[in-house]
Amino acid sequence: GQQLNQSPQSMFIQEGEDVSMNCTSSSIFNTWLWYKQDPGEGPVLLIALYKAGELTSNGRLTAQFGITRKDSFLNISASIPSDVGIYFCAGLGHNAGGTSYGKLTFGQGTILTVHP
Amino acid sequence: DTGVSQDPRHKITKRGQNVTFRCDPISEHNRLYWYRQTLGQGPEFLTYFQNEAQLEKSRLLSDRFSAERPKGSFSTLEIQRTEQGDSAMYLCASSPIKGQGNTEAFFGQGTRLTVV
Repeated sequence: GQQLNQSPQSMFIQEGEDVSMNCTSSSIFNTWLWYKQDPGEGPVLLIALYKAGELTSNGRLTAQFGITRKDSFLNISASIPSDVGIYFCAGLGHNAGGTSYGKLTFGQGTILTVHP
Repeated sequence: DTGVSQDPRHKITKRGQNVTFRCDPISEHNRLYWYRQTLGQGPEFLTYFQNEAQLEKSRLLSDRFSAERPKGSFSTLEIQRTEQGDSAMYLCASSPIKGQGNTEAFFGQGTRLTVV
């Protein structure tokens, strides 16, 4: 089945530093999504990517859809304490007709800790 | 609040009891998904509906699990004869169907199940 490898597993950084995390897949995805999850809550969608090579920003967050469609990265610039949480990548495949499969495949998550 | 709503937020049950969770998706979203998440892991796909039709079920969904979406709006997930291994966060998500299969899945806050 499809597998997503997300790295690093955890990061400890100082407030103000930039952060980078990435996801690689053994299979092609047609959509990449990045989520943030706080303890005891559901994942919150941060960024959605739909085209290979696409670079999308959302405030201090920037994400890119890899050219091979098998990878994606997320950057957070000038981190702040409220960036603390678990970040997940998720991939979605499509059939030949362009209709998306329903199943999102998630990475294992990157735990981000920001020290003030 | 117009987001995905799940009820209850927490459920503690004795082993062998049946439990039912409810999910109300974002209005007009055709697709509704159920995921399960255990500690330290990303969400794992269980099943999804497009309108009333259940289009895919994971092998994780044993015979003790059943999901319904009778009118294409809210959905229920029932677990019969619960086991301790069923303890997890059960997440519901919904998404619209956009052109070219683009889709963004939005999650509810989850139902935390503890089987004692």
